[in-house]
Amino acid sequence: SQTIHQWPATLVQPVGSPLSLECTVEGTSNPNLYWYRQAAGRGLQLLFYSVGIGQISSEVPQNLSASRPQDRQFILSSKKLLLSDSGFYLCAWSITGTGLAFFGQGTRLTVV
Amino acid sequence: EDKVVQSPLSLVVHEGDTVTLNCSYEVTNFRSLLWYKQEKKAPTFLFMLTSSGIEKKSGRLSSILDKKELFSILNITATQTGDSAIYLCAGESGYALNFGKGTSLLVTP
Repeated sequence: SQTIHQWPATLVQPVGSPLSLECTVEGTSNPNLYWYRQAAGRGLQLLFYSVGIGQISSEVPQNLSASRPQDRQFILSSKKLLLSDSGFYLCAWSITGTGLAFFGQGTRLTVV
Repeated sequence: EDKVVQSPLSLVVHEGDTVTLNCSYEVTNFRSLLWYKQEKKAPTFLFMLTSSGIEKKSGRLSSILDKKELFSILNITATQTGDSAIYLCAGESGYALNFGKGTSLLVTP
């Protein structure tokens, strides 16, 4: 069966520091991969999605970037965090051609 | 611009009550409507609806889609405290999901 791992679960970082969140999927190949952010009181906002290695589409221009160095690995990064980057970050995967997405446990990021 | 609107945003009910959660959508290249339940961390999948008028059911939960009027409802009968969660609705546009803000449901004993 397929599983998705996302870490760390919580993170407190100072403004201006770098960020790296990692997500890996097991039990499937060539999944679509996604990064969402959920701010307090708001729905999930799509940040990036990827349909294959090295293929990244950005939905919202911002202080973040994403990379997919391997088929089942998706990384969210920032060179310098802003206070507004605080939020709950969720990685998700879906089978190519379907919209049904399965989510990781999320990372609660607080920028101080 | 794609838009998914859920109502109400929050709801408090007593155990045993029946609730109806609403979701309207305007999604380009719409393919399906999905419902998720989010308790503390990861949203978990409830239903995926692609055809109008066909009810999907899982225990006390059921959902239906109206593609003409562009909305969906999620019904929960005989609510229990374990149903307390945020319920998210999302429209699939072909490559990703567009989420509403969610309905926060609290079921009191």
